[in-house]
Amino acid sequence: NAGVMQNPRHLVRRRGQEARLRCSPMKGHSHVYWYRQLPEEGLKFMVYLQKENIIDESGMPKERFSAEFPKEGPSILRIQQVVRGDSAAYFCASSPLRDRGETQYFGPGTRLLVL
Amino acid sequence: LAKTTQPISMDSYEGQEVNITCSHNNIATNDYITWYQQFPSQGPRFIIQGYKTKVTNEVASLFIPADRKSSTLSLPRVSLSDTAVYYCLVGAREGGFKTIFGAGTRLFVKA
Repeated sequence: NAGVMQNPRHLVRRRGQEARLRCSPMKGHSHVYWYRQLPEEGLKFMVYLQKENIIDESGMPKERFSAEFPKEGPSILRIQQVVRGDSAAYFCASSPLRDRGETQYFGPGTRLLVL
Repeated sequence: LAKTTQPISMDSYEGQEVNITCSHNNIATNDYITWYQQFPSQGPRFIIQGYKTKVTNEVASLFIPADRKSSTLSLPRVSLSDTAVYYCLVGAREGGFKTIFGAGTRLFVKA
């Protein structure tokens, strides 16, 4: 059973461009979470999605950021008009269901560098 | 939301037992306590999870006192490869589900 997959692993963008990050959850997992991590800091929750639904996006900036988890295909985190402050590692996690324990399985992350 | 407090960093030597304590004074009745490990340039990895008393797996033990306001992750006989950041999380619900990672504890294992 393959783990959570993220691509690309590294992404370089110039200011003003769009960044599109993909996450394929583990097989059988219908819950996806996105986190952002700055160097030397902990992970910051961004958004929690189920198939075709955004459940909690309270950690995601209201402008320029969007996320989706379509019925078919990977979850996408989209950052429009990137700025240097968007440079960070973005991690995706998935879980099989939303239960009290809620163990999450993380992908290897996408490291975004905005020039 | 139940916040957590952990030491910022800890040092240890190979072969020693390491105990990392996490405070979560506002833990809710239905909340579980989960610990993750993160190596540089990798995503966090689940270590152990518990609700009360003691939980043990092949990697670690988790001790939770009766009041559940703290928990202790115990790593037996650490090796250099255990050098990582360890995060304590408490399951939180507020309408949706939000996982709050603190800054974690940076464990340095020396030879």
